[in-house]
Amino acid sequence: GESVGLHLPTLSVQEGDNSIINCAYSNSASDYFIWYKQESGKGPQFIIDIRSNMDKRQGQRVTVLLNKTVKHLSLQIAATQPGDSAVYFCAENMIYNQGGKLIFGQGTELSVKP
Amino acid sequence: DAGITQSPRHKVTETGTPVTLRCHQTENHRYMYWYRQDPGHGLRLIHYSYGVKDTDKGEVSDGYSVSRSKTEDFLLTLESATSSQTSVYFCAIREDPNNEQFFGPGTRLTVL
Repeated sequence: GESVGLHLPTLSVQEGDNSIINCAYSNSASDYFIWYKQESGKGPQFIIDIRSNMDKRQGQRVTVLLNKTVKHLSLQIAATQPGDSAVYFCAENMIYNQGGKLIFGQGTELSVKP
Repeated sequence: DAGITQSPRHKVTETGTPVTLRCHQTENHRYMYWYRQDPGHGLRLIHYSYGVKDTDKGEVSDGYSVSRSKTEDFLLTLESATSSQTSVYFCAIREDPNNEQFFGPGTRLTVL
């Protein structure tokens, strides 16, 4: 069936380094993608999104890259800080279809070492 | 949490009892969603609503029902709770399908 998955379940980085979290999706009809951050005991928090007509989008210290050819999504965090430690989820959906339902990946846990 | 509250935040109940979780929003968003989050499964959609009295099933709807009698409230009911429904439940809202979903703080439900 359709699925969104993550290549690495855990990622450990040194404070100040850049982090890259990867995500593979299988539904070629998906046209909208979101990255969420979830801290322990809290709900997922929106980080950044990208639509399929783009291949890159930048936010504050974060960049999302979309490669539709290989159905791959990545989240880059620049100058990773201890406060970035969390689980990161990618999610996909088809705009205007299926009630805006999102399909989530399993999540990657990012651990930042001081 | 983008104007979303969930109640209760924690609940322990016994197998076979009915349970209702409430999601309340102050954003007047049209779309509301209920997810459950379990280790190894990520977030899975239970039910969603695209307007007052308009609801539909998600991927794990068995054993759950929902109601939305007004824009700001979306209720999730477990008619007869089972241990397999022990989970963390998240509500989310969305202005329209073209934008991001915002999540509430979650409800931790334990069914003994």
